[in-house]
Formats: sequence, C-alpha cells, structure tokens
Amino acid sequence: QQPVQSPQAVILREGEDAVINCSSSKALYSVHWYRQKHGEAPVFLMILLKGGEQKGHDKISASFNEKKQQSSLYLTASQLSYSGTYFCGRLEAAGNKLTFGGGTRVLVKP
Amino acid sequence: SQTIHQWPATLVQPVGSPLSLECTVEGTSNPNLYWYRQAAGRGLQLLFYSVGIGQISSEVPQNLSASRPQDRQFILSSKKLLLSDSGFYLCAWSVIGGRITGELFFGEGSRLTVL
Repeated sequence: QQPVQSPQAVILREGEDAVINCSSSKALYSVHWYRQKHGEAPVFLMILLKGGEQKGHDKISASFNEKKQQSSLYLTASQLSYSGTYFCGRLEAAGNKLTFGGGTRVLVKP
Repeated sequence: SQTIHQWPATLVQPVGSPLSLECTVEGTSNPNLYWYRQAAGRGLQLLFYSVGIGQISSEVPQNLSASRPQDRQFILSSKKLLLSDSGFYLCAWSVIGGRITGELFFGEGSRLTVL
C-alpha cells in the first residue's frame, strides 16, 4: 500500500502558508519529499531519517513523527516557484524500494 | 558528476507492438536502478528495481519486464503493449550499496502513448 497524502490539491496566494501531510500504514524507516513540475521529472527536496526530525530547504521544511508514521511538509511564505506536485516517498526498513504517495498538487497564484 | 540518460523521450506505439526503453547512468558504479510509471495526472508507481547486474525485483504483475545487462544500464521492455501501458516512464538511480540513504536521481522521462 502506498502512503496517503492530504490534501490532494491546494491553491495558495503568494506569501501564504500550507501543510501537506503524508501517512503510512506501514512502518516508516525514512521519508523522502520530491516536487515535480508539469511535464518534468521529480526533483528531490529532502529526506528525513529519524523520528521527530525536522529539516528545511529554503522556506520549505518537513517533520517526521515515527510513532504516528506520519510526515508533514510545510510551505512557508509560498512563492510562485513552489507550484507543482509534491510527493512523499516511504522507505521500508528492510528494502531498497521507495514507494510514493499519490501526490499533492500545489498552485501558487500572484 | 553523475548523469542519467533515458531514451526515447517520446514515442507513439500501436496496441500489440513491442517496447524497449533504455536508461544509462554515468559517473557512478553499482547504483540501485528503478523504473517508475506515472499515468496522466497520477502518482509514481514503482515497476521494477535492481540492486545489481541481473538482479531485478518486480513490484507490479503486468506485461512489462526489466533487464540489467550491464552495471549502469537498465532496460524496460514489453512484447505486446496494452492501452493501459500509456504513461510517463521514469528511470532513477540512487547511491551505491543496498539501501537508499540519499536522494533518487530521475532521468528526464519517456512519454509513451499507446493507440
């Protein structure tokens, strides 16, 4: 089963904040976050390896709650360039495979 | 520096025809290699992954197959395409070794339309 992302889509005005959630029914060893622009390949944003860890990339940050098997991506003071589809990826402890969630479409308007 | 190449970038194939998509990685050795498929407006579905030459793990039963004839070459094939095979196919690699500890590097993708 793939991770579940919510919301499926969000529309923001430039400068607004948003949160994207990712939850898994399977244990999370680590969580990856990627962003994909339309028609392009996904681009890596960050990886969270430890429970409770928070990381940041410019004004995009993420948290990882290992106990709840959840991760959240925070878009702060959104910019037009933040538009795209965001995917979380779940790495299972024993494997090499990264399973992605269904994605969250983000549209940032001027 | 490492690079990943995928081809062809775009192809239109009739139902029942064969398929071959190729992916090569440069600048690294013994990478983990992956094939993902993305249907229009959908998420990334893992199809196959490989941790070494000749070692292929299949995630989804289908009419597709994968092969890794060389360390940095990964090929996706089909003997007879179905309409449902249409999509955006992405090859990716990750750091060497048996685990993903860092990012996945994606190729530019191959857009397949089956008519």
